[in-house]
Amino acid sequence: AQSVTQLGSHVSVSEGALVLLRCNYSSSVPPYLFWYVQYPNQGLQLLLKYTTGATLVKGINGFEAEFKKSETSFHLTKPSAHMSDAAEYFCAVRGVEGGKLIFGQGTELSVKP
Amino acid sequence: EAQVTQNPRYLITVTGKKLTVTCSQNMNHEYMSWYRQDPGLGLRQIYYSMNVEVTDKGDVPEGYKVSRKEKRNFPLILESPSPNQTSLYFCASSLSGQRAYEQYFGPGTRLTVT
Repeated sequence: AQSVTQLGSHVSVSEGALVLLRCNYSSSVPPYLFWYVQYPNQGLQLLLKYTTGATLVKGINGFEAEFKKSETSFHLTKPSAHMSDAAEYFCAVRGVEGGKLIFGQGTELSVKP
Repeated sequence: EAQVTQNPRYLITVTGKKLTVTCSQNMNHEYMSWYRQDPGLGLRQIYYSMNVEVTDKGDVPEGYKVSRKEKRNFPLILESPSPNQTSLYFCASSLSGQRAYEQYFGPGTRLTVT
């Protein structure tokens, strides 16, 4: 069965500090993994994706994530947080049915000046 | 500009009064989907459509209907809304096949049912 667990519903970092948002998944098919970002009062926007190939994937706004099959993880990182990174972040895995995404509960990132 | 639009953005209604939330995309996408977002639960799929006249249930379809008569439009219908349908609703669209997972989301519709 497909599922996603995001550790920590709220993460707070200082501006310039490392951002680490954790995501673990379960999948009965080869996983396709995604991170989406939701800024206040907006819809979700694709940040980055892993389908096949290189396990370290880079996305927009300096974010990257590494697929680790042995750990069933797909953690999101950014070396230096900006105030504009404050948002809610969702990890997702593809479902078995075509086009379906299974989302985690979301992690709200706060950035302190 | 490529986009998914939803109307209305905000809606307050009463129990039992039928309503429709419209969704339209201008990217010629085959795949469209409706999600609801609730605190602590993430996004859950309500219904999806692989193409015109092809719709199927997602994880939480009870109390909702959809139709896909045209490729660009995918309205969500609540025949008899109840308070437990108070939520934030998102429409999404994407290409078909492997690209179906790269979904473009609308801005959301916040629905309150009293």
